[in-house]
Amino acid sequence: ETGVTQSPTHLIKTRGQQVTLRCSSQSGHNTVSWYQQALGQGPQFIFQYYREEENGRGNFPPRFSGLQFPNYSSELNVNALELDDSALYLCASSPVPRQGWTGELFFGEGSRLTVL
Amino acid sequence: QQQVKQSPQSLIVQKGGISIINCAYENTAFDYFPWYQQFPGKGPALLIAIRPDVSEKKEGRFTISFNKSAKQFSLHIMDSQPGDSATYFCAALRGTGRRALTFGSGTRLQVQP
Repeated sequence: ETGVTQSPTHLIKTRGQQVTLRCSSQSGHNTVSWYQQALGQGPQFIFQYYREEENGRGNFPPRFSGLQFPNYSSELNVNALELDDSALYLCASSPVPRQGWTGELFFGEGSRLTVL
Repeated sequence: QQQVKQSPQSLIVQKGGISIINCAYENTAFDYFPWYQQFPGKGPALLIAIRPDVSEKKEGRFTISFNKSAKQFSLHIMDSQPGDSATYFCAALRGTGRRALTFGSGTRLQVQP
């Protein structure tokens, strides 16, 4: 069983640029969510995708957008990068439950973005 | 608005000792309370979780104590080991439709040999 994989692992951008982060969900999981983890903080929910549509969003501006593809993989796009966007971006996948979701999210190792 | 408050920020425990991390929440609609463990360079991984209809859940050396009336829950790590050194996050979830976990700010645990 393949876990959640994310790419790239590290990247450096300058303020105003755009970035795309990618995530492959764990086998059998069709729900993907993205979290931002600033240094020394807990992860914060950005949004969630199910059946290629966004079905939940946290307190993040529209310049944070995403996609989910038919194979359940996902992208996170951030436009007009700001210094405060520097963080670890985590992707998490979970299955659609048949008899109630157990509650577990399966996280990837993250993409560390530095904005200069 | 911080909906889940976690303390302490850091914790140093001797090998064999008990590590205790506390969390408090505000939103009474939360109905699932997991603890995640994160090692440096890794994503968080589920350690143990509890629902508010029980007051305690134990899995091996890890125990969650839950106080619904006080809106508090805690993680106890018995017989702490150096391999337990990691950052621990409490979290809370409302419902099952939108899988948006609200995390605490984390506790960095160091277990000294």
